Amino acid sequence: DSGVTQTPKHLITATGQRVTLRCSPRSGDLSVYWYQQSLDQGLQFLIQYYNGEERAKGNILERFSAQQFPDLHSELNLSSLELGDSALYFCASSASSPGQNYGYTFGSGTRLTVV
Amino acid sequence: ILNVEQSPQSLHVQEGDSTNFTCSFPSSNFYALHWYRWETAKSPEALFVMTLNGDEKKKGRISATLNTKEGYSYLYIKGSQPEDSATYLCASSGYALNFGKGTSLLVTP
Repeated sequence: DSGVTQTPKHLITATGQRVTLRCSPRSGDLSVYWYQQSLDQGLQFLIQYYNGEERAKGNILERFSAQQFPDLHSELNLSSLELGDSALYFCASSASSPGQNYGYTFGSGTRLTVV
Repeated sequence: ILNVEQSPQSLHVQEGDSTNFTCSFPSSNFYALHWYRWETAKSPEALFVMTLNGDEKKKGRISATLNTKEGYSYLYIKGSQPEDSATYLCASSGYALNFGKGTSLLVTP
């Protein structure tokens, strides 16, 4: 157990639907990052939150949004789902910014399948 | 977003062989270089974080070097074991970690 908890582990849903992925960071970590891994792609950065505020955005679609709550857990909302959104979604946490020598602790991921 | 490249894409070695793979990254605006080990059905685990040119880190049979001026890092595994089979990811640090696609290592007995 890495200390980062992601739920659910698996999710199957239909096109056009909306889902919410949840992440609880490791105790003491203030930063939460969301990544997407699609078939034959590396880990693609989506968005980062630090202590409740959005810190950086990557290749996140407008149909996707996220937030970090006062208790530091984060949710990634995916709407108007398309077949191409099927992927493994990882949450990671760190004490601060990775540029300050802190590595990430990853959750076990949520496998999303859109049918 | 910085472009991180890893080679080879995959590697198959025999138990006991030593091996190495390469990570290249843009050397401008460099902050840190991270290596992760990702076993199938598990989540990536941090191996090393390196920041200084010439840095060399070691953990058991695995070591890594860093050249920030030319923008590359090598990961070495000495005497590979089947349990070393995994995908090895490197990532360059900006506002978030930018990952390469990884090198998939298979070690057979």
